[in-house]
Amino acid sequence: DQQVKQNSPSLSVQEGRISILNCDYTNSMFDYFLWYKKYPAEGPTFLISISSIKDKNEDGRFTVFLNKSAKHLSLHIVPSQPGDSAVYFCAASDSGNTPLVFGKGTRLSVIA
Amino acid sequence: DARVTQTPRHKVTEMGQEVTMRCQPILGHNTVFWYRQTMMQGLELLAYFRNRAPLDDSGMPKDRFSAEMPDATLATLKIQPSEPRDSAVYFCASGNDPRGRKGYTFGSGTRLTVV
Repeated sequence: DQQVKQNSPSLSVQEGRISILNCDYTNSMFDYFLWYKKYPAEGPTFLISISSIKDKNEDGRFTVFLNKSAKHLSLHIVPSQPGDSAVYFCAASDSGNTPLVFGKGTRLSVIA
Repeated sequence: DARVTQTPRHKVTEMGQEVTMRCQPILGHNTVFWYRQTMMQGLELLAYFRNRAPLDDSGMPKDRFSAEMPDATLATLKIQPSEPRDSAVYFCASGNDPRGRKGYTFGSGTRLTVV
């Protein structure tokens, strides 16, 4: 059973608009969340993270929001650029020494 | 720029053949992970090592997959015999915190096709 769920396999957004990628989780022990970005033929690269003690973390055009009661997080990209076109993975970890659990990914296409 | 190196980048093999994938983690990283990317499962953890000791390989089909770290600069993932359902991209990653609080560094992957 998937503990980290990205229910939208793909998303298409116009350049300059906001991209919102969503992620839900089921394990209440998760206390740290990350987003990774993956281009074709490359490995995933770390983008942004958030601890469960916060509800928002911002880094330039990227903002991650965490709603613990809903077990939901989202990644906002404003403004979206063609170079943001990639697959985005949501990942989560708990306080134990266990590795990151990833979602299935969402493919974002930013159209010029 | 430190990177995780995986070889080969691509591998096409016939069903039943042995496949070995190699990974050179970043020097100084003490935790190495093997993940597999498929359309159905996304990125799923196969196995990981800390200080070269296997900590968890419950994600791997035990009868055909094996993972080892013969030394600190080399991790291997072997499939014998390979099957068409093993076709996927296999990623190695390394880091110093299994929980990923500082993120993992991924290699570029090995794209395996079993025909």
